[in-house]
Amino acid sequence: GAGVSQSPRYKVAKRGQDVALRCDPISGHVSLFWYQQALGQGPEFLTYFQNEAQLDKSGLPSDRFFAERPEGSVSTLKIQRTQQEDSAVYLCASSLAGLAVKETQYFGPGTRLLVL
Amino acid sequence: GDSVTQMEGPVTLSEEAFLTINCTYTATGYPSLFWYVQYPGEGLQLLLKATKADDKGSNKGFEATYRKETTSFHLEKGSVQVSDSAVYFCALSRYNFNKFYFGSGTKLNVKP
Repeated sequence: GAGVSQSPRYKVAKRGQDVALRCDPISGHVSLFWYQQALGQGPEFLTYFQNEAQLDKSGLPSDRFFAERPEGSVSTLKIQRTQQEDSAVYLCASSLAGLAVKETQYFGPGTRLLVL
Repeated sequence: GDSVTQMEGPVTLSEEAFLTINCTYTATGYPSLFWYVQYPGEGLQLLLKATKADDKGSNKGFEATYRKETTSFHLEKGSVQVSDSAVYFCALSRYNFNKFYFGSGTKLNVKP
């Protein structure tokens, strides 16, 4: 079956541009997560949705980062006025329901963002 | 705060060698512990997990035991294959907190 998909796979932006990254979770998955993975590092938590509700956004690094999931399925991570330090791979993951410790998270392939 | 520390790579082994990748953690309370694997060109996949002290997670010949006394969750495999070449991430999550903390990853290269 279809896994988590993300688009675009690669994005090059000029500093100051706005970007939007899309995540299509596995159909029926209630929970959705965004992570940021810098080169040579592990993923770092950005935000978490349960259906359309954003329950935790404590990992968003600044108010330039904004995520939404208006209908409880597809999610978009938007970065305004991109900076070079935003260059990273952005990972999306989804899980069936409930607590992350009980449900397996399925990761997408990521969007590699390069800000010049 | 919660964190995970894992051994730096790359780790290079010959086929059929014994593998250990060290992972230690810092956390409040009683976290669940995970190993994820990322094969070249693919997304992260859950390899194994353990949810309480002394639990052993296992999958595909890999094992890891949750050691509360040493705050460790070391990954082991008795005989690695070339197909095990990947980046391995140790991670933790606390019950009721839908947030994972990942280590920085350890790249494993297995030579035939």
